[in-house]
Amino acid sequence: QTVVTQEPSFSVSPGGTVTLTCGLSSGSVSTNYYPSWYQQTPGQAPRTLIYSTNTRSSGVPDRFSGSILGNKAALTITGAQADDESDYYCALYMGSGIWMFGGGTKLTVL
Amino acid sequence: EVQLVQSGAEVKKPGEPLKISCKGSGYSFSSYWIAWVRQMPGKGLEWMGIIYPGDSDTRYSPSFQGQVTISVDKSISTAYLQWSTLKASDTAMYYCARQDGAALFYFDWWGQGTLVTASS
Repeated sequence: QTVVTQEPSFSVSPGGTVTLTCGLSSGSVSTNYYPSWYQQTPGQAPRTLIYSTNTRSSGVPDRFSGSILGNKAALTITGAQADDESDYYCALYMGSGIWMFGGGTKLTVL
Repeated sequence: EVQLVQSGAEVKKPGEPLKISCKGSGYSFSSYWIAWVRQMPGKGLEWMGIIYPGDSDTRYSPSFQGQVTISVDKSISTAYLQWSTLKASDTAMYYCARQDGAALFYFDWWGQGTLVTASS
């Protein structure tokens, strides 16, 4: 059973840069999986950040960017701010109408 | 404006049936896939399944196949997630989400969530 992998937790200093990744337990993530990224703060529904690997959703600050790094999808936050402290989830489209979410990364800004 | 409005929180006993809903507005409901996503307390997002209201084509995650039923009534722009017999382990927040309609494969709008509590 394929699993979508993410770092369980990460920390970044205010103003710093952090890259979160999204991989597959078997195989590589490519643009063919249409990786997307979602931000969730406690008690709130997820918010769409990035889709189709590197396209920012409407209203998302340009400090958020997406890419493929090696065999993984990546979400980079440049100039992290306190309100970026959230859980971040990637989602991959596996084909034939099937999706998978990663386990999520809890980002701490301190 | 696109909106997905979910039904309210539910408290049920294990063994009881349950059906929760997700009503879409502000767009052509029949033309966009609607997914259901589970979030157990303190845990991550899990994709459960997806339905196309236009023809009720439905796909399930292997983890949820046979455990839940996803359906739709396009005449009232509403998708449903139902259980015939709830278990305590079904206690979770459930979100519906719209898949984009431009084959970019992402969830562009989310419902506010429905909290389901199954407890004796």
